[in-house]
Amino acid sequence: DQQVKQNSPSLSVQEGRISILNCDYTNSMFDYFLWYKKYPAEGPTFLISISSIKDKNEDGRFTVFLNKSAKHLSLHIVPSQPGDSAVYFCAASAGGGNNDMRFGAGTRLTVKP
Amino acid sequence: EAEVAQSPRYKITEKSQAVAFWCDPISGHATLYWYRQILGQGPELLVQFQDESVVDDSQLPKDRFSAERLKGVDSTLKIQPAELGDSAMYLCASSPRLAPTPEQYFGPGTRLTVT
Repeated sequence: DQQVKQNSPSLSVQEGRISILNCDYTNSMFDYFLWYKKYPAEGPTFLISISSIKDKNEDGRFTVFLNKSAKHLSLHIVPSQPGDSAVYFCAASAGGGNNDMRFGAGTRLTVKP
Repeated sequence: EAEVAQSPRYKITEKSQAVAFWCDPISGHATLYWYRQILGQGPELLVQFQDESVVDDSQLPKDRFSAERLKGVDSTLKIQPAELGDSAMYLCASSPRLAPTPEQYFGPGTRLTVT
């Protein structure tokens, strides 16, 4: 039962251009969404999040957009830098206090110099 | 900056052997999670602790996996006996008790290879 889906296993963009990573979910009880970045041989690190009461959250070069009606969220990175090359995981939580989180399969982003 | 510690970082074991992983969460974090990440997939929750109590172990294969957090601080995940399909990255994460948002903080993981 894959409740969080990242349908693009990989994405390649040129340095300075925009990277758009997409994520879809099926559980309408999810009320908090997160993006994690993972470098090889390291654990995932928290990048940015958004509550279901918002449709956009921005932090520097990173912006997350949420479309609740479509059960879709996306992460925009502008401008992309070679150091952004990593695997990006989308995650969703249904709250309830236990922080239970479901992860997508990840998208490998490669930013070419 | 406080980090989640895990050891060992890498473990190679033969099938049918026992293996154990250790996790030390960020100091003061009441909630601790063990995840398994198979190559090409996202992390999947195995067990969640709140202090020393198990909150959720519904996805833990209890015939061979066990987890404990006796004093509500560090935790051990054990597999006995290991099977070839257990080869994966085992991630530990922690979060504060009354966090306003559900971010979890991950350790570097233990990569297990069962031969």
